Amino acid sequence: QKEVEQDPGPLSVPEGAIVSLNCTYSNSAFQYFMWYRQYSRKGPELLMYTYSSGNKEDGRFTAQVDKSSKYISLFIRDSQPSDSATYLCATVRAGAGSYQLTFGKGTKLSVIP
Amino acid sequence: GAGVSQSPSNKVTEKGKDVELRCDPISGHTALYWYRQSLGQGLEFLIYFQGNSAPDKSGLPSDRFSAERTGGSVSTLTIQRTQQEDSAVYLCASSPTVGGSEQYFGPGTRLTVT
Repeated sequence: QKEVEQDPGPLSVPEGAIVSLNCTYSNSAFQYFMWYRQYSRKGPELLMYTYSSGNKEDGRFTAQVDKSSKYISLFIRDSQPSDSATYLCATVRAGAGSYQLTFGKGTKLSVIP
Repeated sequence: GAGVSQSPSNKVTEKGKDVELRCDPISGHTALYWYRQSLGQGLEFLIYFQGNSAPDKSGLPSDRFSAERTGGSVSTLTIQRTQQEDSAVYLCASSPTVGGSEQYFGPGTRLTVT
């Protein structure tokens, strides 16, 4: 079992829809959770990060972490064509002298006008 | 300010040749990471430099891969005797703090081994 599992999609939604992207992870030692957005032929850009269970909201984006079930989600409200990209979840395990970041494979999202 | 830059943006090389990929992190960032992204795969961690400490090389796939970071700034990833399976996008990221969770990525170097 991979440490971070993410459905690769592709996911296609109409403009204005609410999008739900999800990942599961297996290692309870993971401490931080992040979502990155990657446009075609570009490097990933950080969207949101959190270190605790619960919700974190930033504009149209909400990141949700449930540590008890090892489940992380990203919700996009009022989706726009410009949201079309690949979304990568990532988890971080940090300790003395070590820092390990593990990415999911990414979900490709298309928002259709 | 300037973001993370990488060069070259594209590299085509013949199997068996050595290649060097360069990363210029954001000025002042203490941590630097290298990842590999293959088609249909997620980002694969390769190596991590933190400040002046010894790098974490646990992700390097073979001894053909090596990296160095000179003066705590620019980093070079070297792949010796390239193989076709090395074809991928190589991404560099930097972080403002050691162990920081916010990583800023460069645009990547697309390596094609023929």
